[in-house]
Amino acid sequence: AQRVTQPEKLLSVFKGAPVELKCNYSYSGSPELFWYVQYSRQRLQLLLRHISRESIKGFTADLNKGETSFHLKKPFAQEEDSAMYYCALIYSNYQLIWGAGTKLIIKP
Amino acid sequence: GAGVSQSPRYKVAKRGQDVALRCDPISGHVSLFWYQQALGQGPEFLTYFQNEAQLDKSGLPSDRFFAERPEGSVSTLKIQRTQQEDSAVYLCASSRGVRETQYFGPGTRLLVL
Repeated sequence: AQRVTQPEKLLSVFKGAPVELKCNYSYSGSPELFWYVQYSRQRLQLLLRHISRESIKGFTADLNKGETSFHLKKPFAQEEDSAMYYCALIYSNYQLIWGAGTKLIIKP
Repeated sequence: GAGVSQSPRYKVAKRGQDVALRCDPISGHVSLFWYQQALGQGPEFLTYFQNEAQLDKSGLPSDRFFAERPEGSVSTLKIQRTQQEDSAVYLCASSRGVRETQYFGPGTRLLVL
């Protein structure tokens, strides 16, 4: 069955330190993965999708089919990166399967 | 332009009451989705519309849940005879088409007492 796992409920790092938010997936087909972010009191918004292979706000994510992972990385965390981050997988062309989310706290 | 809007933002219902949650998608967006997000969890898919057609309702948890989008724009999610386990945030999203980026509304937080 298709599943997305984010093993960390909470991740706390100091400003300027590297950040890695983990995401693992289970899917029998060719996966298409996303990272969504929810800042405090704001709505969910797309951060990046793997097919775009772009960097948004300094974040990147590489799809590793061998390890079935799509970890989100940023070399130098900023305080404004504090938010909830969700990894999601698209299934059957439109249905998003979501991880439980990781709360990222950037300490000053 | 305006984003996806949802109303009400908060709803408190007594167990057994019926509730109706509204979603106004981005103008011109063909696809519309409803998700349920329980506390501490990621969203879970409920149902999908393409224009006025409900193409997938496999995620609706019971026959107490009903969704419609009669004119292919505004959508309403109705929950009949609410139960405490229905307490969650209900999210609506719209997109230009299948596999396009989904844009989310602010959600409706439903609390059933």
